[in-house]
Amino acid sequence: GAGVSQSPSNKVTEKGKDVELRCDPISGHTALYWYRQSLGQGLEFLIYFQGNSAPDKSGLPSDRFSAERTGGSVSTLTIQRTQQEDSAVYLCASSLAGGEKLFFGSGTQLSVL
Amino acid sequence: AQRVTQPEKLLSVFKGAPVELKCNYSYSGSPELFWYVQYSRQRLQLLLRHISRESIKGFTADLNKGETSFHLKKPFAQEEDSAMYYCALRAGGYNKLIFGAGTRLAVHP
Repeated sequence: GAGVSQSPSNKVTEKGKDVELRCDPISGHTALYWYRQSLGQGLEFLIYFQGNSAPDKSGLPSDRFSAERTGGSVSTLTIQRTQQEDSAVYLCASSLAGGEKLFFGSGTQLSVL
Repeated sequence: AQRVTQPEKLLSVFKGAPVELKCNYSYSGSPELFWYVQYSRQRLQLLLRHISRESIKGFTADLNKGETSFHLKKPFAQEEDSAMYYCALRAGGYNKLIFGAGTRLAVHP
């Protein structure tokens, strides 16, 4: 594809519901990142996948957050039992292995009511 | 632990004025530093990286290991420079990229 694709672009959910956010990286990019962007908090690292290595999950804020990457390509970020403080823009980015340049998606705006 | 600090949330200047967006980092090894920019309604994108020692859109940034800083500078700001700027750090190799909280630059006519 032309770039990193994220879906949905907007998601409104009720507190306590589970949500899944999807990221399609650029073909051939082995590195994939999830970040959370919120006012006042900047760009918060969540999780990093690099090839077949174990993912770096050190940024996940709680055990309600999880992510997987199937076949080294598409990734899904799952938030269980959503809370209002989860409201933010969730950004996905991909790069070549050890690449210096990250290519970002347009993000998913998550609103938890 | 790796950390990136951008002390200013908002920097407001007039067109033609010099601009300096501050970035300090915390890392004991040899860092890789980057500046990313997000213009209104556009995706976050790489602006420049320290190892390239390049000037992009008139912006430059010099890595100062003694002061652990990587400030972004431009001698004469333009209105089209108005955007959100993020400084980022990587601890080399295949490690993750850590971003600062960002600075919003507003350039007024």
